Amino acid sequence: DGGITQSPKYLFRKEGQNVTLSCEQNLNHDAMYWYRQDPGQGLRLIYYSQIVNDFQKGDIAEGYSVSREKKESFPLTVTSAQKNPTAFYHCACSMEGVVSPLHFGNGTRLTVT
Amino acid sequence: QKEVEQDPGPLSVPEGAIVSLNCTYSNSAFQYFMWYRQYSRKGPELLMYTYSSGNKEDGRFTAQVDKSSKYISLFIRDSQPSDSATYLCAMSDNGGSQGNLIFGKGTKLSVKP
Repeated sequence: DGGITQSPKYLFRKEGQNVTLSCEQNLNHDAMYWYRQDPGQGLRLIYYSQIVNDFQKGDIAEGYSVSREKKESFPLTVTSAQKNPTAFYHCACSMEGVVSPLHFGNGTRLTVT
Repeated sequence: QKEVEQDPGPLSVPEGAIVSLNCTYSNSAFQYFMWYRQYSRKGPELLMYTYSSGNKEDGRFTAQVDKSSKYISLFIRDSQPSDSATYLCAMSDNGGSQGNLIFGKGTKLSVKP
C-alpha cells in the first residue's frame, strides 16, 4: 500500500528548541517537497528536492533546514531562527521528468509556545 | 496583484445543490491546473488535474479552464455532506515539478444535509 507518511501528527515544542518533522514515502517518487500552511492561507513552499543529496530553497526557507540522504526520506528541521513556527506542515512527493501532480501526506501540526 | 486569487468563503449550500468554485490567475504561462480537496486536519488530496484549456469530468466533478479569461472552475453536482472540505486550486507552467506550483488560499465548502 503505497503512500507518504508524516510523523508525528501533532508536535509541541518550547520556543528556542529545534524540532525535526519526519516524512517518508514508498511511492518511489524522485521529488519531495515541504509546504507550510497557516489558517486561511494557501500552501507556501519551504524546500524541495528533486534528487538524493540535492535540495533547493522555496519561497519561505528562512529558519528551516532539510536533508535528503535517502530517496524515500525528506526530514524538515524547524530551527529556533524561525520567528513564527506554529503552523501545519505538509510533505509531498511527485515523479520527476513527467507531468506529475503532488501526493501529500496527512500533515504535522506544530505548536511552539 | 497576487498570482492566484481564490475566494476563501465560507460557502454553505444545501445537499443536492450544484457548487461552483473558482480561481483567477495573472500568469498567462500557467498550463497545468489542479484542484485539491482538503478535509479538516488532513493533507490535500488531488481531485482534478487538467492541462491547458477545456473541460474535464470525473463523476460528479467537472473542472473547467478558460485560459483567455485566466479563470478556472470546479463544479460539483449533487453535492453531498461528505463534500464538505476546503478546496484548493493550484497551477504551474511546467506541471508542478521543480517546486513552482502556486496554490490559491482555498475555499471552505459546507454542504448541509
